[in-house]
Amino acid sequence: EIVMTQSPATLSVSPGERATLSCRASQSVSSNLAWYQQKPGQAPRLLIYGASTRATGIPARFSGSGSGTEFTLTISSLQSEDFAVYYCQQYNNWPPQTFGQGTKVEIK
Amino acid sequence: EVQLVQSGAEVKKPGESLKISCKGSGYSFTSYWIGWVRQMPGKGLEWMGIIYPGDSDTRYSPSFQGQVTISADKSISTAYLQWSSLKASDTAMYYCARPSIAARRFPSAFDIWGQGTMVTVSS
Repeated sequence: EIVMTQSPATLSVSPGERATLSCRASQSVSSNLAWYQQKPGQAPRLLIYGASTRATGIPARFSGSGSGTEFTLTISSLQSEDFAVYYCQQYNNWPPQTFGQGTKVEIK
Repeated sequence: EVQLVQSGAEVKKPGESLKISCKGSGYSFTSYWIGWVRQMPGKGLEWMGIIYPGDSDTRYSPSFQGQVTISADKSISTAYLQWSSLKASDTAMYYCARPSIAARRFPSAFDIWGQGTMVTVSS
């Protein structure tokens, strides 16, 4: 089973600043990596798939990069609606298609 | 509109059985995998298992194998998650989700999610 490790656990950022979230896989997942955003009381929402492709309707301030074992989600200028928990997920080796433990982006 | 609609919240006692549902609409139900994801209170997302309704091919996470059963009834475009004997530790929100691509060989990232079913197990 592939283990996904996200860092940091919590990221404190001021509105308008840049946020960089990391996700590491215990073995290569190629580019089969997704990022999700989850707000309290809501289902997760797909942001990025294929490591770097934005899902439909996702603003351009969200970008993903990486391949193999190291991945990054960047939010270029944080808006108030971006404060949430973010999860990465590998879907290359399955079952299971494992999630990371999440990074909470909070207001500084 | 493509959507997954899950059954309502459940409150059960330890040892009871339960089957929750996830109804797909707006797309070809038999052409996409449907997965189940657990979220315990205040915790992260856990991939439980997945089913391909077209032929009922089902795969489980080792963590959930033998603990739950995933099934689907393609005649009514509905997937199920069931327990034969609930435990307090099964208390969680359960989401069904559909991958973005209709690929039999390989489930991709989940782009359609149900609203979640909260299951509470308490004596």
